[in-house]
Amino acid sequence: DAKTTQPPSMDCAEGRAANLPCNHSTISGNEYVYWYRQIHSQGPQYIIHGLKNNETNEMASLIITEDRKSSTLILPHATLRDTAVYYCIVRARYNNNDMRFGAGTRLTVKP
Amino acid sequence: DAGITQSPRHKVTETGTPVTLRCHQTENHRYMYWYRQDPGHGLRLIHYSYGVKDTDKGEVSDGYSVSRSKTEDFLLTLESATSSQTSVYFCAISDDSGSLYNEQFFGPGTRLTVL
Repeated sequence: DAKTTQPPSMDCAEGRAANLPCNHSTISGNEYVYWYRQIHSQGPQYIIHGLKNNETNEMASLIITEDRKSSTLILPHATLRDTAVYYCIVRARYNNNDMRFGAGTRLTVKP
Repeated sequence: DAGITQSPRHKVTETGTPVTLRCHQTENHRYMYWYRQDPGHGLRLIHYSYGVKDTDKGEVSDGYSVSRSKTEDFLLTLESATSSQTSVYFCAISDDSGSLYNEQFFGPGTRLTVL
């Protein structure tokens, strides 16, 4: 079972920031938070990951609360091509066989 | 994008027939994985490999076998396909070095229908 809880769906206006929440209240000290997304019928795509500090890359920002029990993925200027299912995953970094994909959040970016 | 291809991309077969799906990578990554994706279940790990001839079971391995005789190829075999194995199958790769340590990169998927 996935160790995370995400809302099933969200909408966002094109050009606005999309903020996708994730709860992971049972996260342990050696577990990272990963985000992937899956655009319709394609393979999942890695977005970003973090341990306890906020992270930013060319795709998104990841904000992790101080107690690490929740996080938010931010797409700063959502486009129509960001419409996808977004998965929040918690796992230890060395643990190759523990990628537990839950149902994710279906983000729809609207014009 | 990571160099991962899957073949075939689509297959329809009959119950009881053997089926082999192939995953091919050009990244020389050590780890390779097979997942299945079904409505309501997300992606679930079937088997994975941590090197040539080194494989292990995942969450839903019953009815599946794998082989890895070369770094670049990871084969998934359904010895006798059943309708419950109708699914979309994804291959993934990862490596334990570099800035993207252990991040997984996925192939385009194979849609398998067992009648």
